[in-house]
Amino acid sequence: GEDVEQSLFLSVREGDSSVINCTYTDSSSTYLYWYKQEPGAGLQLLTYIFSNMDMKQDQRLTVLLNKKDKHLSLRIADTQTGDSAIYFCAESNTDKLIFGTGTRLQVFP
Amino acid sequence: DVKVTQSSRYLVKRTGEKVFLECVQDMDHENMFWYRQDPGLGLRLIYFSYDVKMKEKGDIPEGYSVSREKKERFSLILESASTNQTSMYLCASSSLSGRENNEQFFGPGTRLTVL
Repeated sequence: GEDVEQSLFLSVREGDSSVINCTYTDSSSTYLYWYKQEPGAGLQLLTYIFSNMDMKQDQRLTVLLNKKDKHLSLRIADTQTGDSAIYFCAESNTDKLIFGTGTRLQVFP
Repeated sequence: DVKVTQSSRYLVKRTGEKVFLECVQDMDHENMFWYRQDPGLGLRLIYFSYDVKMKEKGDIPEGYSVSREKKERFSLILESASTNQTSMYLCASSSLSGRENNEQFFGPGTRLTVL
């Protein structure tokens, strides 16, 4: 079945860039997503990319998609303490989303 | 502001009790989902529903059932709670595939502890 994988932890210094990586197996994915979960809260959509794109930029966020390698990344420029959260990669080609395990981003001063 | 609400943020139950988790959305969405979230395992789909009175099993339906009597409400039922059902439960909703980007909107979660 479909599978989405992420590393579990990432630690960065405030002001540096963060790069969170994700690999997936379903080549028919239509959309790929990055969700953010702050402590004690549900998930909130951060950004998404359509499968026929290879890059999307939104302020401090850059999403890169390599369809050939089934690799998705999220770059956060000038990382702030408020970016500390769990980041979930997800993919879909139907109404269902398949989520990764989540990457816990810790930002230290 | 669009919203998905869940009936409780924290719940403590005893083994063998019947547990109801309620979820309500105000976006007139067709699709509703129940997930559980456990450290290192991400989100796993328990059940989902495409329409009123309709339900489909997700990846881990054992020990759970659901009810969708109205479009805005999707209930998760633990018939006889067990300690391995201690988890964070997340409800989500979305509009039908193809209309938008399949974005799912999440509730704040219910942290259930079964003693």
